[in-house]
Amino acid sequence: DGGITQSPKYLFRKEGQNVTLSCEQNLNHDAMYWYRQDPGQGLRLIYYSQIVNDFQKGDIAEGYSVSREKKESFPLTVTSAQKNPTAFYLCASRLGPSSYEQYFGPGTRLTVT
Amino acid sequence: EDQVTQSPEALRLQEGESSSLNCSYTVSGLRGLFWYRQDPGKGPEFLFTLYSAGEEKEKERLKATLTKKESFLHITAPKPEDSATYLCAVQRGGGTYKYIFGTGTRLKVLA
Repeated sequence: DGGITQSPKYLFRKEGQNVTLSCEQNLNHDAMYWYRQDPGQGLRLIYYSQIVNDFQKGDIAEGYSVSREKKESFPLTVTSAQKNPTAFYLCASRLGPSSYEQYFGPGTRLTVT
Repeated sequence: EDQVTQSPEALRLQEGESSSLNCSYTVSGLRGLFWYRQDPGKGPEFLFTLYSAGEEKEKERLKATLTKKESFLHITAPKPEDSATYLCAVQRGGGTYKYIFGTGTRLKVLA
């Protein structure tokens, strides 16, 4: 089955630790995105990548980092510099420049205490 | 400033009671408007894309429409399984591939 996988579904970390969230897609999509979802707020863009080895900061990139070494993979690292890391993180992908729909993964709920 | 506003925040309907959800937007050069369904603890599921004013799309009990300032998601004779949060997003033109999301409408359909 084609789709987007995110792992793990739940993640718990202590404050001060970096953590990496996985996002893999087998849809052969060019573009990939990371969003953060908090209660009462719309999805907020963290980073996006339109092609391999290239990515751009979104609206709330501070405290996060990404890499795009392979077309299928777009991991997100939440660093200790992120002040409020507890949230639901969503990865999405889009086919290419002529296709505008985004498709989302199942999400990872990160809890930092 | 680009903005997407959804109303109402929450809606309770009896099974079979039709209604509409609203998505008002302000964006420079709309490239597309998107509707998603999101169940609790899950990722959004794509429903529709609308590109220009006057366009309509249908899927089962759902129908999405678009004007120059807003979009409506009409739900006809809803069933309890239609209960979810419905998200609206827009993509602006001008070479950017960023999307702006509304905060969603939480729909509860009672049997």
